[in-house]
Amino acid sequence: QKEVEQNSGPLSVPEGAIASLNCTYSDRGSQSFFWYRQYSGKSPELIMFIYSNGDKEDGRFTAQLNKASQYVSLLIRDSQPSDSATYLCAVIKYGGSQGNLIFGKGTKLSVKP
Amino acid sequence: DTAVSQTPKYLVTQMGNDKSIKCEQNLGHDTMYWYKQDSKKFLKIMFSYNNKELIINETVPNRFSPKSPDKAHLNLHINSLELGDSAVYFCASSREWGNSPLHFGNGTRLTVT
Repeated sequence: QKEVEQNSGPLSVPEGAIASLNCTYSDRGSQSFFWYRQYSGKSPELIMFIYSNGDKEDGRFTAQLNKASQYVSLLIRDSQPSDSATYLCAVIKYGGSQGNLIFGKGTKLSVKP
Repeated sequence: DTAVSQTPKYLVTQMGNDKSIKCEQNLGHDTMYWYKQDSKKFLKIMFSYNNKELIINETVPNRFSPKSPDKAHLNLHINSLELGDSAVYFCASSREWGNSPLHFGNGTRLTVT
């Protein structure tokens, strides 16, 4: 089982719709979860992080975490064409005394005008 | 001011050569990382380093070696370059090891011919 799994997409939504991006992880001990956005040819940039079960909202973005199901999601409300990018889910994996950020393969989102 | 900067942006070289990529962060972060993003856009950790402790991903060939002259710099040396080393290499830093989000540099596109 891969450590962090995402549907590669592409996920296509019309402008103004809600885009829902999903991620599952294998390490039940994971405590910290991140969503990054990566435009083509650019570096990943942090959108949100979430540590506790439940929802966390920031503007048009909502991260949802369910540790029992080992599931984290990102909702983008009122999707805009500028949201078209690859969204990377990342999870801190602990090994020894430290943790490293492990990424999923990303979901490509396309928002159609 | 660029937070995490890496040079060069592009690197084209022949098989068998030795090359280095430099990375500097001015965020005052304690931990720095190198990630490799392959042609399928999968972002995979290579090294994480926090001044005194180095964690190496076990899948990284020993032709790759990080060198850190101080807390603000983590350079990547690659010996005997192979075709399969062609990828985009991202440097990143975080405030601390474990829970902090990563800040990425702009990436170095390495092409081995």
